[in-house]
Amino acid sequence: AQTIHQWPVAEIKAVGSPLSLGCTIKGKSSPNLYWYWQATGGTLQQLFYSITVGQVESVVQLNLSASRPKDDQFILSTEKLLLSHSGFYLCAWSSGGSNERLFFGHGTKLSVL
Amino acid sequence: TQTVSQSDAHVTVFEGDSVELRCNYSYGGSIYLSWYIQHHGRGLQFLLKYYSGNPVVQGVNGFEAEFSKSDSSFHLRKASVHWSDSAVYFCAVSATNNNRIFFGDGTQLVVKP
Repeated sequence: AQTIHQWPVAEIKAVGSPLSLGCTIKGKSSPNLYWYWQATGGTLQQLFYSITVGQVESVVQLNLSASRPKDDQFILSTEKLLLSHSGFYLCAWSSGGSNERLFFGHGTKLSVL
Repeated sequence: TQTVSQSDAHVTVFEGDSVELRCNYSYGGSIYLSWYIQHHGRGLQFLLKYYSGNPVVQGVNGFEAEFSKSDSSFHLRKASVHWSDSAVYFCAVSATNNNRIFFGDGTQLVVKP
């Protein structure tokens, strides 16, 4: 069975500090990977997606970057956090394109102070 | 660009009632439509999806949704809700030719005992 694991579960960071969030998928080769951001009580905003190792497409610009260093790993990062980065970050995978269902991780709650 | 509108931010019903959560979309091409559920502080879980064929699709836990091209809608329904159905429900739309998946603002469903 496939599993998706996000780390950390929660982070409290200072404005201007760096950030790295991770996501690992086990049991599925060559998944499509996605990062979403969700403001408290809000909708999900797709940030990035990746269909293969080393290739990441940006959907919106939020002063964040993403990388896929391995087939089963997706990293979200920034060198300098903003207050507006606070929220809930969700990683998801799918078997193929946009017609496939998304499998979400449990998310990372980020508080920027 | 696809857009998704969920007109009801909050819906409150009693256990055993039927419920309909509304979703309208805007897009000119071929799309996929989905519904997801999010319990507080957790990732999203897939309920059902539609692409073609029978406009009424069955999902998990007794949920179903009906696609209407004329109304540009994909409303979610359940005949008899349980308290455990209390959650936020998101409608999602994605085009067939890319990996961008857009979510509505969500509908908070509260089921009272």
